[in-house]
Amino acid sequence: GNSVTQMEGPVTLSEEAFLTINCTYTATGYPSLFWYVQYPGEGLQLLLKATKADDKGSNKGFEATYRKETTSFHLEKGSVQVSDSAVYFCALSEKNTGNQFYFGTGTSLTVIP
Amino acid sequence: DTGVSQNPRHKITKRGQNVTFRCDPISEHNRLYWYRQTLGQGPEFLTYFQNEAQLEKSRLLSDRFSAERPKGSFSTLEIQRTEQGDSAMYLCASSFSGRLNEKLFFGSGTQLSVL
Repeated sequence: GNSVTQMEGPVTLSEEAFLTINCTYTATGYPSLFWYVQYPGEGLQLLLKATKADDKGSNKGFEATYRKETTSFHLEKGSVQVSDSAVYFCALSEKNTGNQFYFGTGTSLTVIP
Repeated sequence: DTGVSQNPRHKITKRGQNVTFRCDPISEHNRLYWYRQTLGQGPEFLTYFQNEAQLEKSRLLSDRFSAERPKGSFSTLEIQRTEQGDSAMYLCASSFSGRLNEKLFFGSGTQLSVL
């Protein structure tokens, strides 16, 4: 079946530190991969996505590369800001399962000044 | 485009009561999803509609749960005879299936507390 395993948090970083949040997946076919972010008091928003192997998704300084050989989609940012404090969810979607989205458990990030 | 709207934002109810939530998706989106999220967990799929047709239901969805999307626009999720274990955030999301690699747009959710 399809599933997503995410690095457990919470993660606390100082401003301008480097961020990595690990995500690995299991899928029966060829999924699309996503990172969603949930800021305090808000709904989930798409942060970035990648639709095939070796694609790199990027947005707001965040990047993630679809690695089929390691079934991973790790999220990275070179220099975090206080405003990046949020919960980050890795997710996959696959046409074989009706485009149903499977989410990881989320990783809470707090960035301190 | 006002985004996905969910009402109410919060609902407190006593065990055994029925509750109903409403979701208004983005107007041109033909797919609508319901998810449930508990503290420290990611969203869990409950069900989804394409237009007015309910195409899939999760095995998590007991027979106390029912969802409708009567005219292919807004949707309601009803929980009958609520239990304390139903306490969670109920999320609605919508998308347009005509595009490849569709992305979901989420509402802010309805927080249900069953006392």
